[in-house]
Parts: sequence; C-alpha cells; structure tokens
Amino acid sequence: QVQLRESGPGLVKPSETLSLTCAVFGGSTNSYYWTWIRQPPGKGLEWIGYVKFTGSVSLHPSLKSRVTISLDTSKNQFSLKLSSVTAADTAVYFCARGLYPVWFDPWGQGILVTVSS
Amino acid sequence: QSVLTQPPSASGTPGQGVSIFCSGSSSNTGRNSVTWYQHLPGTAPKLLIYSSNRRPSGVPDRFSGSKSGTSASLAISGLQSEDEADYYCAAWDDSLNGWVFGGGTKVTVL
Repeated sequence: QVQLRESGPGLVKPSETLSLTCAVFGGSTNSYYWTWIRQPPGKGLEWIGYVKFTGSVSLHPSLKSRVTISLDTSKNQFSLKLSSVTAADTAVYFCARGLYPVWFDPWGQGILVTVSS
Repeated sequence: QSVLTQPPSASGTPGQGVSIFCSGSSSNTGRNSVTWYQHLPGTAPKLLIYSSNRRPSGVPDRFSGSKSGTSASLAISGLQSEDEADYYCAAWDDSLNGWVFGGGTKVTVL
C-alpha cells in the first residue's frame, strides 16, 4: 500500500521561498508522475505540476516562473519549491502519485502552509 | 474560479440517491475522461472514479460515473452517513497541458 506524506514549514514569510517534501512509502518513485496540488482556503483544487519518473517536469503556466519540482529516487521522495510567495499562496498543499492523464492515487493528507509575516 | 463547474452543494436522506454534475469545455471534459475524488477535510483525497466510469477496487458500487459531451456526473445511490464529504471532478486540459478541477460539491446526508 503506497502512502505519501508531506513535510515542511507551516509558516513562510512573504517574498521568501516555500519548500515542501513528499516522502513515498511502500512503493518506488521509479515510475508514475509525482504531482503537487494545492487548495487555498475556501477554494477548489489547483494543479501545480509534476515531475515524471524520468525527471522531466511540467508546470502550471501561471506558476511556472516561480516553481521548481524535483525528484530524488535515492531517497524515494520529491520536492516543491515556490519562490517569492505572497498571501495568495496560502493553501493546503497535497502531493500525489499520478498516472497521466487518468488519475491521482494515492494522495498525501496535505499540509497547510500560511504565508504571513 | 475553477475551470470545471460543479454545484456547491447537494444533499439527500439515508438510502436516497444523489447526483453531482461537472461541466467543462472541449479542451478538457469534452476530449478527455473525468476523474472523481472524495475528500474529507483533514484527510487525503480518495480516488472514486477514473476514466469517467471506472471504479478502483475497494470503492463501493454505490458510486458510479458517466460522461456525455462536455459534462460528467457522479451518482451515489443508497446514501450513507459516511458519504458526507466534498466531491471534486478533474480532467486533463489539452490547452493548459495540465489538470483542471471543479470547485467541489459538499454532499450532506440529512
């Protein structure tokens, strides 16, 4: 049973970089698309992007200039960096395993990141 | 504003059925299959339906999905109290070259 778990700081200052890691348990990162999705408070889900098991990356156009997603197969984890954050980046951030363009399964339970000074 | 449109809420009494609709466009739901997720806040979202109408193993057959044109629907029959959750539709968007989601529908079991 594959499980994903997000970790990282829950509070980030405006203009700084948000950094999150998603650890993968019970499975390998040597296949699938490893994905980040977020949900601002009271709003719907937003796809941020993925890193494929090959290392190739695809990002949401609106976030592309600020986002880095990387994969560390040796540690069985992948990471998200979002630079120059503002209050609009406050959200619950989820990581998920993806089979594109079919599904995300499983998901992590999410981590709330608040951008505030 | 979410790319896919869902009603914000739906409700039914135990044992009843409820349907949730998801409307998109030619670049997403019109061209690609739809996926549905169940989410209880504070927990990991759960895959309910993929390829518009297929259920992963372990998902009760009370949940069913369908798609026609640019619209899709999720039907829940025989509502149970544990079905009270938020439900999201999603689809790959060929114009965005990424996934788009609905705003979510909160299902309440009265």
